[in-house]
Amino acid sequence: KNEVEQSPQNLTAQEGEFITINCSYSVGISALHWLQQHPGGGIVSLFMLSSGKKKHGRLIATINIQEKHSSLHITASHPRDSAVYICAPNPKAAGNKLTFGGGTRVLVKP
Amino acid sequence: EPEVTQTPSHQVTQMGQEVILRCVPISNHLYFYWYRQILGQKVEFLVSFYNNEISEKSEIFDDQFSVERPDGSNFTLKIRSTKLEDSAMYFCASTRPRVETQYFGPGTRLLVL
Repeated sequence: KNEVEQSPQNLTAQEGEFITINCSYSVGISALHWLQQHPGGGIVSLFMLSSGKKKHGRLIATINIQEKHSSLHITASHPRDSAVYICAPNPKAAGNKLTFGGGTRVLVKP
Repeated sequence: EPEVTQTPSHQVTQMGQEVILRCVPISNHLYFYWYRQILGQKVEFLVSFYNNEISEKSEIFDDQFSVERPDGSNFTLKIRSTKLEDSAMYFCASTRPRVETQYFGPGTRLLVL
């Protein structure tokens, strides 16, 4: 069974600060997804990565497959980044069956 | 930009009633998924569907649940006899290739009374 741990569970930042969210998982994976869940509940896929690093605007995701660890960074954070960020690894043995972390609730204050 | 749609956005039902949640995946996508999120808890995988059959399902997806792609566009989740613990947000998602970014619908909030 894939255990997925995210840290921190909650994070408050001032606008402009650099934010890092961490995700650790316990089994071999084919890919890992980072998702953003808005206060209304909707989920948006931010990244899917299987190695290295991806960047989209102010968001950067990295993964270390050997260490079974991924990070999501938000540079120059803005109040509109306030959301829950969810890590969802796709275990190799599980086909398409994503497992989900508990999420990191981010609040960016102006 | 194409998007996954879900209807209804909210549904209230009595325990024991059947509900059907509907999803319209992105038109050229081939893999379809249902997830649920009980209030305050993690998102959980329910089922994946490809080529008109279930490809994976979780322990949650018991005989009370079924999925169907009745035509070329809709993908439905049926709960035959709802229980209080089925109250949750249900998300549909789709992908084109098997391992790829999943596009999520806005969700259906189901409340079982």
